[in-house]
Amino acid sequence: DAGVIQSPRHEVTEMGQEVTLRCKPISGHNSLFWYRQTMMRGLELLIYFNNNVPIDDSGMPEDRFSAKMPNASFSTLKIQPSEPRDSAVYFCASRTGGLAGELFFGEGSRLTVL
Amino acid sequence: KQEVTQIPAALSVPEGENLVLNCSFTDSAIYNLQWFRQDPGKGLTSLLLIQSSQREQTSGRLNASLDKSSGRSTLYIAASQPGDSATYLCAVIWNTDKLIFGTGTRLQVFP
Repeated sequence: DAGVIQSPRHEVTEMGQEVTLRCKPISGHNSLFWYRQTMMRGLELLIYFNNNVPIDDSGMPEDRFSAKMPNASFSTLKIQPSEPRDSAVYFCASRTGGLAGELFFGEGSRLTVL
Repeated sequence: KQEVTQIPAALSVPEGENLVLNCSFTDSAIYNLQWFRQDPGKGLTSLLLIQSSQREQTSGRLNASLDKSSGRSTLYIAASQPGDSATYLCAVIWNTDKLIFGTGTRLQVFP
């Protein structure tokens, strides 16, 4: 299996621009998670989906952030408009087997907002 | 509040040493605990997953133990090598799907 695939790996954009990050989970995994990692705050859970349905988005920092999962093999995290404080590495992870399952991460998307 | 703490924050050891990384959590009613490794600029690689009913898991030179009653897990690395240099994170699931991460231990093994 190719693992969790994220794109782009690196994104540099200017403040106010829209950013879309993409994730393809491991085939057969029914839970998908979006995390953000910064030096100051470590790893923070933004939102997660079970069977394509958003379950908990309490970690999404503001209304500028939105996430979708239109099908079992694709998810997007969108920031509109982006701000410099959004600069971070955004990770997607997937899992099968409910709470007992092992979580697998993608390589991350490093976002820099100027 | 459910929290995960890792001590030490950083560790530097010579090659060949056996070492222990610590992880503590505030609520003993966990579902499982997972140890990860993160190399600079990379994603997280799963090392070991311990279910709440288990006491330990082993993979090669790695051994992770779990003591729910004391709210602790330890990751033991035997005969450390320079290639083990990375940040090690532990993460806990309680009774929701949320995996809560510790802040990690940055390990450097020098030749």
